[in-house]
Amino acid sequence: NAGVTQTPKFQVLKTGQSMTLQCAQDMNHEYMSWYRQDPGMGLRLIHYSVGAGITDQGEVPNGYNVSRSTTEDFPLRLLSAAPSQTSVYFCASSWGGGVYTDTQYFGPGTRLTVL
Amino acid sequence: EDQVTQSPEALRLQEGESSSLNCSYTVSGLRGLFWYRQDPGKGPEFLFTLYSAGEEKEKERLKATLTKKESFLHITAPKPEDSATYLCAVGEKAAGNKLTFGGGTRVLVKP
Repeated sequence: NAGVTQTPKFQVLKTGQSMTLQCAQDMNHEYMSWYRQDPGMGLRLIHYSVGAGITDQGEVPNGYNVSRSTTEDFPLRLLSAAPSQTSVYFCASSWGGGVYTDTQYFGPGTRLTVL
Repeated sequence: EDQVTQSPEALRLQEGESSSLNCSYTVSGLRGLFWYRQDPGKGPEFLFTLYSAGEEKEKERLKATLTKKESFLHITAPKPEDSATYLCAVGEKAAGNKLTFGGGTRVLVKP
């Protein structure tokens, strides 16, 4: 199993450009999520999905869009990049959870710089 | 509002010098407390999950414990390869499968 994979590893954008960060998992997990990690801020939830066709906003959703057409893939779209979106982005996946929160497994991250 | 606070922010240890990291939390209905290890330039790597007060889990030189208000990650006789940032996260009853993360503790173990 490859686990959670993310592409690209690094990306530089100019202000106003759009792009899609890719995330895929091969564990048949129902739950997938996107976080951003900034110095001194910890990991913050951007969007999440509890299954194919279902997405919802996290703590910091503005400027980002997601869709979930398959169980395996959960792309994150930046609509019009801004310098404030310079960050490291992590995708994670887990089983859906039930009585307890399920363990989330993380991808290697995408380091994004917006000039 | 959920809060997860980790202390200290940074910890410098000599090899073999045992210490503890703290994660205090305020959530209404804990559904799980998670510890992750993160190396520079990498994604968080899962270490432990704790579900109820009094629970303990161990892995090599690491031991995680849980009370009703906080969790400790004890590092016994650390080695330089234990240098990393350790992240704590909690799941809350009304939050589905979402996690709230603390800011992390950066640990440096010098030989």
